[in-house]
Amino acid sequence: GAGVSQSPSNKVTEKGKDVELRCDPISGHTALYWYRQSLGQGLEFLIYFQGNSAPDKSGLPSDRFSAERTGGSVSTLTIQRTQQEDSAVYLCASSRSENQPQHFGDGTRLSIL
Amino acid sequence: EDQVTQSPEALRLQEGESSSLNCSYTVSGLRGLFWYRQDPGKGPEFLFTLYSAGEEKEKERLKATLTKKESFLHITAPKPEDSATYLCAVQEVGNNDMRFGAGTRLTVKP
Repeated sequence: GAGVSQSPSNKVTEKGKDVELRCDPISGHTALYWYRQSLGQGLEFLIYFQGNSAPDKSGLPSDRFSAERTGGSVSTLTIQRTQQEDSAVYLCASSRSENQPQHFGDGTRLSIL
Repeated sequence: EDQVTQSPEALRLQEGESSSLNCSYTVSGLRGLFWYRQDPGKGPEFLFTLYSAGEEKEKERLKATLTKKESFLHITAPKPEDSATYLCAVQEVGNNDMRFGAGTRLTVKP
């Protein structure tokens, strides 16, 4: 079956612009996660969705970052007023439930000029 | 304080030369420890989950083991296609996210 799909695969934008990153999880997976991977660093947790529960936003680095998950499926991560330090690969993962293995997409490589 | 520490940062092996990667972790209660493989430009690919000390999992040339403080990923007779970055992550009781180590970059020369 299809894996986790992320779009776009690459995004280049100017400092100060808003960006939207999309994630299509594996069908039937109730848990969805967003991570950020900066060059030479480990993955950094951003936000977690589980079913219809309120999301765990504890990893979001600032109020410029927000995420939605519509209908328990597709998720969008939005970064407002982008800064150069936002440049990174943004990875989405989904799992059958909260303590099951997470399966990752190939990420969106975001570059802020 | 880092919760997950992987060593070495980089490892170069000759084809057929077996070795082990280490993942040390500090959590109050372990929900699960996960190993992933990541190729350049790709997302992490799930390999193993370990839940309790003493548990072992195997897949082809890879074997993962777990103690109360660390996990090892043993690679037996590696091939060049095993070259990748290997990531370890822990999920702590009461937390929803996984905490990742910085990874070990493995290169296997023919």
